Amino acid sequence: EDQVTQSPEALRLQEGESSSLNCSYTVSGLRGLFWYRQDPGKGPEFLFTLYSAGEEKEKERLKATLTKKESFLHITAPKPEDSATYLCAVSVTGTASKLTFGTGTRLQVTL
Amino acid sequence: GAVVSQHPSRVICKSGTSVKIECRSLDFQATTMFWYRQFPKKSLMLMATSNEGSKATYEQGVEKDKFLINHASLTLSTLTVTSAHPEDSSFYICSARDGSFSSTDTQYFGPGTRLTVL
Repeated sequence: EDQVTQSPEALRLQEGESSSLNCSYTVSGLRGLFWYRQDPGKGPEFLFTLYSAGEEKEKERLKATLTKKESFLHITAPKPEDSATYLCAVSVTGTASKLTFGTGTRLQVTL
Repeated sequence: GAVVSQHPSRVICKSGTSVKIECRSLDFQATTMFWYRQFPKKSLMLMATSNEGSKATYEQGVEKDKFLINHASLTLSTLTVTSAHPEDSSFYICSARDGSFSSTDTQYFGPGTRLTVL
């Protein structure tokens, strides 16, 4: 069975304190790994898609990396507006583009 | 680009009534749309996958007669919750996959609909 596990469950950072969120996966055949940001009461906002081990993508203070077993979302010098739940998802070969989501990491950035 | 809208954003209804939720891709054609349900502080649970012009594929445990899905065009899918009961109260979110990029599974999500059944 395909599984996606995110850690930590919750993370509290001070403004400017860099850190990383982890997404480990066990799947039969990875098609893509996705990172989303979700604010309370809203739908997920697309951040990145990664397809192969070694791939990296960046957007402002966020950088996503991928290995054969896990992905990291690095947050550099976070600001309070980066507070949100970050969701990781995978699509797997033979599953018609369906996404399997992890349970998310709730990030709170304080002043 | 890649904007998905949902309507309504919030709906309150009486038990036994039906509610329709619309999901539209505004600036791309969505050959595949997905419907999710999310409980408080939980991750997204896929309910069904719909392809334009064909019947939806429901996940195990999702009642197809209760959650009617129609994907009549490349930009519109609807979810109708029939004979709603309080246990159907939830946050429903749709997503769409851009059909012009066959190699990507990236889904773009709508803002969600909060359904409360009294």
